[in-house]
Amino acid sequence: GQQLNQSPQSMFIQEGEDVSMNCTSSSIFNTWLWYKQDPGEGPVLLIALYKAGELTSNGRLTAQFGITRKDSFLNISASIPSDVGIYFCAGVKTNTGNQFYFGTGTSLTVIP
Amino acid sequence: KAGVTQTPRYLIKTRGQQVTLSCSPISGHRSVSWYQQTPGQGLQFLFEYFSETQRNKGNFPGRFSGRQFSNSRSEMNVSTLELGDSALYLCASSFNEKKQFFGPGTRLTVL
Repeated sequence: GQQLNQSPQSMFIQEGEDVSMNCTSSSIFNTWLWYKQDPGEGPVLLIALYKAGELTSNGRLTAQFGITRKDSFLNISASIPSDVGIYFCAGVKTNTGNQFYFGTGTSLTVIP
Repeated sequence: KAGVTQTPRYLIKTRGQQVTLSCSPISGHRSVSWYQQTPGQGLQFLFEYFSETQRNKGNFPGRFSGRQFSNSRSEMNVSTLELGDSALYLCASSFNEKKQFFGPGTRLTVL
């Protein structure tokens, strides 16, 4: 199935630094979702975005629904070691039911 | 509310065998989707069930099948296992179908 372009593929940062990652597509989506996955576990939903231009925060995490509806961004401020994991974006289209398209993931490593 | 549960968490099978994985969605969620996750391919959509009917299907061979029961619990079956079927199989449920909540996954290893 279709996968979204997510970048960067991996990041190595120092504790306390801010992180930015993004997801782009050639298609328009009705909803954007951001997930975090720890090794051996299922993805956990972090933030959901429903309108173009929407900016939503969840603690140190902030995500935005791009104006064109073809992209989304996730920022993590003041990173801490427990932020380590793989971050996935997902775009949702509403056709017959809702179809979910996932990004390729950004692997984040935080160096204490 | 309890989250999405999947059983078993780990499974080892040999080539040619068949396997059944189970998923219990969050209470009240009627949509259940299945995904295959491998390091090289990321999250690949298998199928989605809603009210006991398969509503969407990904590009997987017919060896992969599923079903949903009246209580929304879902099972996924893979027949004639191949080495390449080794993966983390994730189940996700949704209520308003704009957000999906994932279970912990079943790690399948085919030897």
